[in-house]
Amino acid sequence: QKEVEQDPGPLSVPEGAIVSLNCTYSNSAFQYFMWYRQYSRKGPELLMYTYSSGNKEDGRFTAQVDKSSKYISLFIRDSQPSDSATYLCAMSARTGNQFYFGTGTSLTVIP
Amino acid sequence: DVKVTQSSRYLVKRTGEKVFLECVQDMDHENMFWYRQDPGLGLRLIYFSYDVKMKEKGDIPEGYSVSREKKERFSLILESASTNQTSMYLCASNPLDTFTQYFGPGTRLTVL
Repeated sequence: QKEVEQDPGPLSVPEGAIVSLNCTYSNSAFQYFMWYRQYSRKGPELLMYTYSSGNKEDGRFTAQVDKSSKYISLFIRDSQPSDSATYLCAMSARTGNQFYFGTGTSLTVIP
Repeated sequence: DVKVTQSSRYLVKRTGEKVFLECVQDMDHENMFWYRQDPGLGLRLIYFSYDVKMKEKGDIPEGYSVSREKKERFSLILESASTNQTSMYLCASNPLDTFTQYFGPGTRLTVL
């Protein structure tokens, strides 16, 4: 069983839609949860991070962590064509430690 | 701004060649990582380093070695390239005890 599972998509939505991206994981030691965005032919860049359970909001983006269900989500409100990218979830048991990535979900926002 | 640079964006090599991929970061980060990224498999960790001359195997170290002689530079070596090593290679770095990784632009390696 993979440490982190992520639906690869692809996901295609109209501009302005709410997007939900999800990952599940198996290792209960994970405490740090990250979302990276990767544009085509570029390296991933950190979008958001959370520690332990709960929600975190940053503009149009909201990250949720449910440790009891081993499930994390990223919501994008009022999606824009510039949000079209691959979104990767990542997790770690402690800072500076090995990171475990999902396979990425490809998102296209259609104008 | 943190900058992580990789020596080549695209590289084509032949089976059996020795291949060097170089990564340089300019923010004095302690930790450096090499990943490969393949469709459907995501990012898989090859090797990482917590300090100069230190290295740790990741999930898929077979067929690879690394070198970290200076803090800012982390090299990935394919001793004898094979076609199954055709992939996108990504370097990343982060300061000690943080979880924010900074990635380079990647090197797309094709082994013929």
